[in-house]
Amino acid sequence: DTEVTQTPKHLVMGMTNKKSLKCEQHMGHRAMYWYKQKAKKPPELMFVYSYEKLSINESVPSRFSPECPNSSLLNLHLHALQPEDSALYLCASSVGVNTGELFFGEGSRLTVL
Amino acid sequence: QQQVKQSPQSLIVQKGGISIINCAYENTAFDYFPWYQQFPGKGPALLIAIRPDVSEKKEGRFTISFNKSAKQFSLHIMDSQPGDSATYFCAASMKTGANNLFFGTGTRLTVIP
Repeated sequence: DTEVTQTPKHLVMGMTNKKSLKCEQHMGHRAMYWYKQKAKKPPELMFVYSYEKLSINESVPSRFSPECPNSSLLNLHLHALQPEDSALYLCASSVGVNTGELFFGEGSRLTVL
Repeated sequence: QQQVKQSPQSLIVQKGGISIINCAYENTAFDYFPWYQQFPGKGPALLIAIRPDVSEKKEGRFTISFNKSAKQFSLHIMDSQPGDSATYFCAASMKTGANNLFFGTGTRLTVIP
C-alpha cells in the first residue's frame, strides 16, 4: 500500500464551525506532514510530526490544531477559520524527516464562507 | 527568500516536442533534488530525483540534468504527450534544519495535440 488517504475531499465550513481533516498512511512512514496549497502556488509547510511527536510548527495560527493519534493517522482540527484559509490542504508522509521524498495525499479542498 | 528559483512559470509544447524546466539554488547544503508532478485536483507526486554526485538521471522520457558548479538543475521531458500536462515543482532538500524541503514556484506545462 503506497497511498496516503485524506478525508474529506471537499469541505465547506462557516467561520464559527469546528471541523477536522483526516489523513492515513500504512507505509510504515514515521514522518507525517500538513501542507497548505493556494492556487498556482507551491505547497507551504504547516506542521511536521516525527515519530508521533510534533517537530515543526511553521508559525501556523492556533485556529489550526494538529494531532497525531498514532503512527498511521494525522488529523488537522479547524476552528474559527477565516475566508483566506480556503485552500487545498495536503497531507504527506515520508520514511523519516530528513528526506525530500514525500508521498502526498490527494488533498482536502477547504472553503471557508 | 525563495530558496529554489524555477522557470518558466508556464510552458506550452507541441505533442512530441521536448519540454524543459529549469531550476537554480544557492544553498550548497542541499543534497537531494526531487521533481514533483501535480495534476489538477490531485496532490503532488514524486516524479524523479537526483543527488549532486551525478550529472544526469533518466527514467523513461524524463531526464534530470544537474550542474553542481552552476547550482542549476533541469527537467527534460522527451516526446511530450498531452497526458504530461500538469504543474511541475522542482525542490531541494537537505539533511539538517527544521524545514528542510524547499519547493520552486512551479511550472504549468500544457502539451497541445
